[in-house]
Amino acid sequence: SQQGEEDPQALSIQEGENATMNCSYKTSINNLQWYRQNSGRGLVHLILIRSNEREKHSGRLRVTLDTSKKSSSLLITASRAADTASYFCATDTLYGGYNKLIFGAGTRLAVHP
Amino acid sequence: GAGVSQSPSNKVTEKGKDVELRCDPISGHTALYWYRQSLGQGLEFLIYFQGNSAPDKSGLPSDRFSAERTGGSVSTLTIQRTQQEDSAVYLCASSFTGSNTGELFFGEGSRLTVL
Repeated sequence: SQQGEEDPQALSIQEGENATMNCSYKTSINNLQWYRQNSGRGLVHLILIRSNEREKHSGRLRVTLDTSKKSSSLLITASRAADTASYFCATDTLYGGYNKLIFGAGTRLAVHP
Repeated sequence: GAGVSQSPSNKVTEKGKDVELRCDPISGHTALYWYRQSLGQGLEFLIYFQGNSAPDKSGLPSDRFSAERTGGSVSTLTIQRTQQEDSAVYLCASSFTGSNTGELFFGEGSRLTVL
């Protein structure tokens, strides 16, 4: 079963606009990570935010984490056509005595020139 | 190698045949993961290795699926008597281990098509 649920499932914007994707999860986490996947390729790690952190930045990316609401958001500012991809959140959760990374279904982002 | 390497990149097989998918993780990474991704879907966890042992096999869909890892390095995912519903991209990832899961480094995946 999936731990994280992304919202929206698909997002279409114009270049220069900001893109916001949300992720909700169900159980307590050690950290939450965001990954990007270009069509037909492997996933690339974008950013990791620990459970005791509330906000993190990396270039044009801003990630927030609200553990009380069990939710996270990924903001991409000043989007570019090259940002077109699927974005996944993944939660590092203790399952059966072991930590593992559980992925959500992803948000498909399309940035139009 | 510099990254996670998976082979074959594409595999087309007939229903009922066995297939082997290989993953060569980044040197020094002790944790190795297999995920499955159906078309347009998210990632489904299959199995996790810590060194050569697999403490978590909970995601394997059926007993037709098995995986092993030797020498703390290369891993093989075997699917016996393939079915059409096994068609998917099988992704391998590795990471440094720790008490928490850190960044995963993914391979490009093996696309399996069962006719």
